Amino acid sequence: KNQVEQSPQSLIILEGKNCTLQCNYTVSPFSNLRWYKQDTGRGPVSLTIMTFSENTKSNGRYTATLDADTKQSSLHITASQLSDSASYICVVSADNAGNMLTFGGGTRLMVKP
Amino acid sequence: DAGVTQSPTHLIKTRGQQVTLRCSPKSGHDTVSWYQQALGQGPQFIFQYYEEEERQRGNFPDRFSGHQFPNYSSELNVNALLLGDSALYLCASGFGTGLYEQYFGPGTRLTVT
Repeated sequence: KNQVEQSPQSLIILEGKNCTLQCNYTVSPFSNLRWYKQDTGRGPVSLTIMTFSENTKSNGRYTATLDADTKQSSLHITASQLSDSASYICVVSADNAGNMLTFGGGTRLMVKP
Repeated sequence: DAGVTQSPTHLIKTRGQQVTLRCSPKSGHDTVSWYQQALGQGPQFIFQYYEEEERQRGNFPDRFSGHQFPNYSSELNVNALLLGDSALYLCASGFGTGLYEQYFGPGTRLTVT
C-alpha cells in the first residue's frame, strides 16, 4: 500500500530561525514528490516538485531534498517568517498511477514572534 | 486570470441527503481531480476527470460520483450522506494526464449533521 509519513506532526519555532521537515514514503514505482503549503481552511499551494533524477530544488526560502534510494525527502525553511505558519504536506505520485497523488498527514508549523 | 474556483464555500446537510459540489478549473486546464480532507489529516484522492471521463479513482464508495462538462468544469455528487462525509472537499486542476502541476481551489467545507 502506498504511504507517506511525515515528521514531526507539529513544530513551533521562533521567527528568523530555520527548520527542517521530514517525509518518508513507500510509494512504488516512484514518479515524483511534491511539497505543498496549506493555510488553515484553504487549498494547498505547491512549493516544489521533484522527479527521480532531482535531489534538490529551491523556491525562495524553501529548499526540498530527495533521496530516492532511501525514499526520504526533507523541506528546509530558512529565516522563518510569521507567514510561514501553516501545514506543510509531502505528496508522492506513483509512476503507474497517472497523477493520483498520495498525501502525507502534514506537519503543522507555527512561527512565533 | 482566475484560478481554480469552487462553490459553495460552506454547506450543511443532514444524514441521508444528497449534495453536489462544483469546480471550475484554472484557465487552460482540462483535468480535474477531487480530494476529501478530514480535519487534521492530509487530502485523500477521490477521482480524476479528463475528457469528460473518470480516469482514475481512489478508495471511495459508489456514493461518490462525478461529472465533467465540455467546458472542463466538474461536479462532485455524494449520495446518502454519512456523518463521516464531513470534510473539506478540494478540487485541483491541471493540463493533461502526464506529470503536471496541480492547482488547488479553496475547497468546500461540508458539514453533515
